[in-house]
Order: sequence, then C-alpha cells, then structure tokens
Amino acid sequence: GQQVMQIPQYQHVQEGEDFTTYCNSSTTLSNIQWYKQRPGGHPVFLIQLVKSGEVKKQKRLTFQFGEAKKNSSLHITATQTTDVGTYFCAGGTGANNLFFGTGTRLTVIP
Amino acid sequence: GAVVSQHPSRVICKSGTSVKIECRSLDFQATTMFWYRQFPKQSLMLMATSNEGSKATYEQGVEKDKFLINHASLTLSTLTVTSAHPEDSSFYICSASREPGLLISEPYENTQYFGPGTRLTVL
Repeated sequence: GQQVMQIPQYQHVQEGEDFTTYCNSSTTLSNIQWYKQRPGGHPVFLIQLVKSGEVKKQKRLTFQFGEAKKNSSLHITATQTTDVGTYFCAGGTGANNLFFGTGTRLTVIP
Repeated sequence: GAVVSQHPSRVICKSGTSVKIECRSLDFQATTMFWYRQFPKQSLMLMATSNEGSKATYEQGVEKDKFLINHASLTLSTLTVTSAHPEDSSFYICSASREPGLLISEPYENTQYFGPGTRLTVL
C-alpha cells in the first residue's frame, strides 16, 4: 500500500543552524503538501507542490518536489525558536486522500 | 477563510460511555471530511473519510461500529466513540477539504484544513 516515510524522526538544532527534513513515497504522487504542527496544536497547511522538480520558498523555508514526484524536502535556513514543531509531508495521489508522512520533530535550542 | 472548528476540545468520560465529537467547517462547504487519531509524538493516523450524504469509508483496522461517523451536511461531520475504553484515549483531529477555489491564490484540490482537535480521556 501507499507509504510515505520521513527522515529524520527527530532533529535538535542550535538556533541559527539550518534544518532539512526529507520525505519519500513508495509511489508517484500527484502533489505533495507540507504541514506544521506546533506542540499541543493541530496541523497547519504550509504549501503544496505539484510540478516535477518544483521549488517554492516561504521566507526561510524552501520546499522541493523531486523530479520523479516521489520525494520532497523542506529546508529551513537559520532556524529560530518559532520554528519548533513537527513537520509533516503529505502525499496526494489524485483522489481526495492524503498520505501523511511520519513527521519530523524539530527542536531549536536557544 | 477555511476555518474548521471542533467540539469539545477536551472530554473526560467513564469507561463504557459514548462520546460525540463535532467537526464543522465554518466558512466553506467541505466536500470531504477526514477523521484522524494521533497518539503522543506520533503521526496522524487516518481513521475514516466521509462525504456528505454517504457512508464513511473506514481505514483497515478501524471498527466502524465502534467509531460512528455521520456527515449530515456539507459543514458538519460527527464522530461518536461508542462504549469508550481507556485504550480509546487519544487526540482526535478532523479535517475538511473543498473543491478548488476560483481564486488563483487558493490551494489546489485535497488541501486539508484541520480542526483544533479533541483530547479524549477515558477513565
């Protein structure tokens, strides 16, 4: 069945350091979405990528969709304490369902 | 836009009782609503998908008689945990998706907007 894996599971960084999380799907995706869940909160939509090789930026966040549309990455430059949370990728296959990745929990040490 | 509310935010109940959780899309019509369960420090586990007016589609391993889902309108879905037991204690989150909007800035299809979640504790 459809599987979406994310690595690493946990990441501790010093404030100011960069952070990257990787997402891999077992099958080709029609789109990939990224969500952020703050501690104690609910997932919040960040962005969606649709095109092969697409790269999108949101301030310090850079999102990339692989050429084969089976993997994606989220890179945060110069992390801040406000970046703390769990980042989930979610792969779409054309239907309404999303297959959520396992998430990467980011801790930023001041 | 695209706000989803959930009620209640927290509930504590005795073992054997039933608990109903409501999920509402406040400013849009949700073509599909999803129910997830999330254990501490873990990913979202999809329980079921529901479309307005039709029966919910449950994921493998989720008991449909235990977790009753009703999607009566385009803005409301309910999850009822029947005869709750301590192992049902969890964080339950609903989400809703809608048809792609007419605005260029609107996300594409299958973007999900999440409710704030309901923390269920069964004693």
